[in-house]
Amino acid sequence: GAGVSQTPSNKVTEKGKYVELRCDPISGHTALYWYRQSLGQGPEFLIYFQGTGAADDSGLPNDRFFAVRPEGSVSTLKIQRTERGDSAVYLCASSSTEANTGELFFGEGSRLTVL
Amino acid sequence: AQSVAQPEDQVNVAEGNPLTVKCTYSVSGNPYLFWYVQYPNRGLQFLLKYITGDNLVKGSYGFEAEFNKSQTSFHLKKPSALVSDSALYFCAVRGEYGNKLVFGAGTILRVKS
Repeated sequence: GAGVSQTPSNKVTEKGKYVELRCDPISGHTALYWYRQSLGQGPEFLIYFQGTGAADDSGLPNDRFFAVRPEGSVSTLKIQRTERGDSAVYLCASSSTEANTGELFFGEGSRLTVL
Repeated sequence: AQSVAQPEDQVNVAEGNPLTVKCTYSVSGNPYLFWYVQYPNRGLQFLLKYITGDNLVKGSYGFEAEFNKSQTSFHLKKPSALVSDSALYFCAVRGEYGNKLVFGAGTILRVKS
């Protein structure tokens, strides 16, 4: 596609439920990132994929959060046993280069609300 | 670990006047610096970056930024502000040996006509 696509754009769930957020990066981009943005704050790094593997998952807050990218393209962020504090906008970004000099292209985000 | 500070929560400027949005950073090794803009209910859009070379870099929509190594700063500037420049601006940094892009808290720019 022309840009990074994220679905759903909005997700409302109840505390304790399981949630999946999907990211479809720009075609051909090998690097994929997940960030979380809470109200009034800057994006917070969660995880970075280079191809199919998670090269850096140091930003995942706890073991309830997990992400996969099985074929090196689409990625899914999975949140188990959601808590109210997980409410945020989850941003996905992709980049065309393995070198760290390239800019990231962001999707419009998935807004998660945990009631 | 790298970090970014944007000391102003909000910057107000009159249309036609020059604007500056401040950013300082901390990182090991040479910094790779970026500015992004976010409009309401939209994703982040890349404005410009500094990797190496000339300390003054030019980007989209007439914006530019000046890298100052001694002051560890990367302030965003524009000679003449437009009302349409009103948005949320983020500065970001990554180290030359890392892949993690770290963002500041953001600065709201309000341009009044």
